[in-house]
Amino acid sequence: GNSVTQMEGPVTLSEEAFLTINCTYTATGYPSLFWYVQYPGEGLQLLLKATKADDKGSNKGFEATYRKETTSFHLEKGSVQVSDSAVYFCATSDKIIFGKGTRLHILP
Amino acid sequence: DTGVSQNPRHKITKRGQNVTFRCDPISEHNRLYWYRQTLGQGPEFLTYFQNEAQLEKSRLLSDRFSAERPKGSFSTLEIQRTEQGDSAMYLCASSLGSDSKETQYFGPGTRLLVL
Repeated sequence: GNSVTQMEGPVTLSEEAFLTINCTYTATGYPSLFWYVQYPGEGLQLLLKATKADDKGSNKGFEATYRKETTSFHLEKGSVQVSDSAVYFCATSDKIIFGKGTRLHILP
Repeated sequence: DTGVSQNPRHKITKRGQNVTFRCDPISEHNRLYWYRQTLGQGPEFLTYFQNEAQLEKSRLLSDRFSAERPKGSFSTLEIQRTEQGDSAMYLCASSLGSDSKETQYFGPGTRLLVL
């Protein structure tokens, strides 16, 4: 069946480090792909999305490119900040499936 | 505040009792979704409405669960004869559009604890 697999956390980095959180998916159609973020004590909110192959979503310095050939949507940021500490969820619109989430800790 | 709201935010109940949660979506949004989230997991889709019509239900939604959206605005999720395994965060989200490719806006959730 359809699924979303993202790297397990927690991921701990120092401030200004480069971040990659891997996400791969399986789908029967051509879904949109999303990264949602949940900051401590807050609800889920959209971080970025891409609606078709080779699209790049970007927001707040984060980027992810929709790679149909590798069925991936990896999240990247060049220089993380302490305020980026949160749980990140990859999701696909095909059957509305979320990954398990990756907790990110950024150390000052 | 024009975001998605959910009530109550917390609910503690005894096994076997019925509980009902309410979700008020963003006012112009035609789609409303319910999810369940347990610790360390992502949200699991339960059901969704387009206006007042319930268009899809997950196999996770047992016959003890029922959801309504009678006027196409707010929605309720009822769990009958609660079990300890129902303990979870129940999330509501809304969107504007005709398919699940649209951005969903999430409420803060209702945390249920079944004793």
